[in-house]
Amino acid sequence: ETGVTQSPTHLIKTRGQQVTLRCSSQSGHNTVSWYQQALGQGPQFIFQYYREEENGRGNFPPRFSGLQFPNYSSELNVNALELDDSALYLCASSLTPGDGNEQFFGPGTRLTVL
Amino acid sequence: AQSVTQLDSHVSVSEGTPVLLRCNYSSSYSPSLFWYVQHPNKGLQLLLKYTSAATLVKGINGFEAEFKKSETSFHLTKPSAHMSDAAEYFCVVSSGTGGYNKLIFGAGTRLAVHP
Repeated sequence: ETGVTQSPTHLIKTRGQQVTLRCSSQSGHNTVSWYQQALGQGPQFIFQYYREEENGRGNFPPRFSGLQFPNYSSELNVNALELDDSALYLCASSLTPGDGNEQFFGPGTRLTVL
Repeated sequence: AQSVTQLDSHVSVSEGTPVLLRCNYSSSYSPSLFWYVQHPNKGLQLLLKYTSAATLVKGINGFEAEFKKSETSFHLTKPSAHMSDAAEYFCVVSSGTGGYNKLIFGAGTRLAVHP
């Protein structure tokens, strides 16, 4: 059974650019969530995708957007990058969106914005 | 609204001594609570979860946590620390309203284990 994978592992961008991060969910999981973890802080919920639709969103601006594909893999897109977007971006998958379901995390993509 | 507060940002113990990482939660209904561990340059790993079954929850690597509703606490313990336990630990509450399930993380407790 393959776990959650993310690509790339590291990324350096400049302010104003756009970035796409990718995530493959664990086999059999139809729900993907994205989190942003700034240095020294706990992860913060960006949004969740279930069956190719965004079904929940945290307190992030619209320049953070996503997609989920028929195979349940997902992308996180960030437009007009700002210095504060520098963080570890974590993807997590779960069997369903149900409360209490364990979310399995990938290793993350570290984004640096210069 | 759900939230968690981790009472210690850093905890330092000697190898072989007990570990206590403290967490208080706030929830308007019976919560689902988790402890996750994050080792350097690695993803988050679930240690244990509470979902309104037994109040004493056993997890991996000898960790356990006790749900105390009267104290709104969910402290993580281990009888004997090992060097490999050094990591960042997060107390997490699940917010399942609105048809989706988001995890709300505490700020984390960094555990150092000394020989």
